Amino acid sequence: SQTIHQWPATLVQPVGSPLSLECTVEGTSNPNLYWYRQAAGRGLQLLFYSIGIGQISSEVPQNLSASRPQDRQFILSSKKLLLSDSGFYLCAWAREAEAFFGQGTRLTVV
Amino acid sequence: AQTVTQSQPEMSVQEAETVTLSCTYDTSESNYYLFWYKQPPSRQMILVIRQEAYKQQNATENRFSVNFQKAAKSFSLKISDSQLGDTAMYFCAFTPGSNYKLTFGKGTLLTVNP
Repeated sequence: SQTIHQWPATLVQPVGSPLSLECTVEGTSNPNLYWYRQAAGRGLQLLFYSIGIGQISSEVPQNLSASRPQDRQFILSSKKLLLSDSGFYLCAWAREAEAFFGQGTRLTVV
Repeated sequence: AQTVTQSQPEMSVQEAETVTLSCTYDTSESNYYLFWYKQPPSRQMILVIRQEAYKQQNATENRFSVNFQKAAKSFSLKISDSQLGDTAMYFCAFTPGSNYKLTFGKGTLLTVNP
C-alpha cells in the first residue's frame, strides 16, 4: 500500500533562517507531488506541484522553492524565512486524480 | 483558471439529523473530478467522496452523498444521520483530468451538536 511521510510535524524558526521540509512517498512510482499551505485554518493554497524528477511548477510567487531530487521525494525550502511564511504545510501525492495527504507541518516563524 | 466557492463558512447540525454543504465551481474543462475532503481537528486531510464529471450518477459513500449538477456547476455534500465525529472542516475540491492540480474552496466548518 502507498504511504506518505512528511516531517517535521512542528517547527519554530527565527526570521531569516533557512527552511527545509521533506516529504517522501512509498509504494508507488512517478507520482504527482504537491505542496500546499493552509493559513489560519482555512483554505489550501497550492504552492508547487511536480510531475517528475526535476520538474517543478510554481503556482504563486513567494519566498519558497521546491525540489524533487528523487522520484518519490519532494522538498520545500527557503533561504530566509519571513514572518508571513508561518502556516500549516501539507504535502500530497495524486493517483488517478485522487490526492493523498501527509500529516502536515505546522511552521511558526518568530 | 478554475475556482471553487463554498458560500457557508460555518454550519451546525444536531446529531442524527441531515445537513447539506454547498459548493459551486467554475471551469472550462470538459473532463474533471470533484471531491469533498474532511479535515478534523487533527488536521489530517481525509477524502470523503469523489465524483467524475462524466458520470451522471451521484456518488454515495455510506452516510455521505453528493448532488452533482453539471450544468449548474454545483456539487453539494449531504451528510445523513450526522455523528459527533463528523465535526470538522469540509473542503470542496476540483481537479482537471489533465494535470491533477487540486483547487480547494475555503472550507465549511461543520459542528455536530449532541
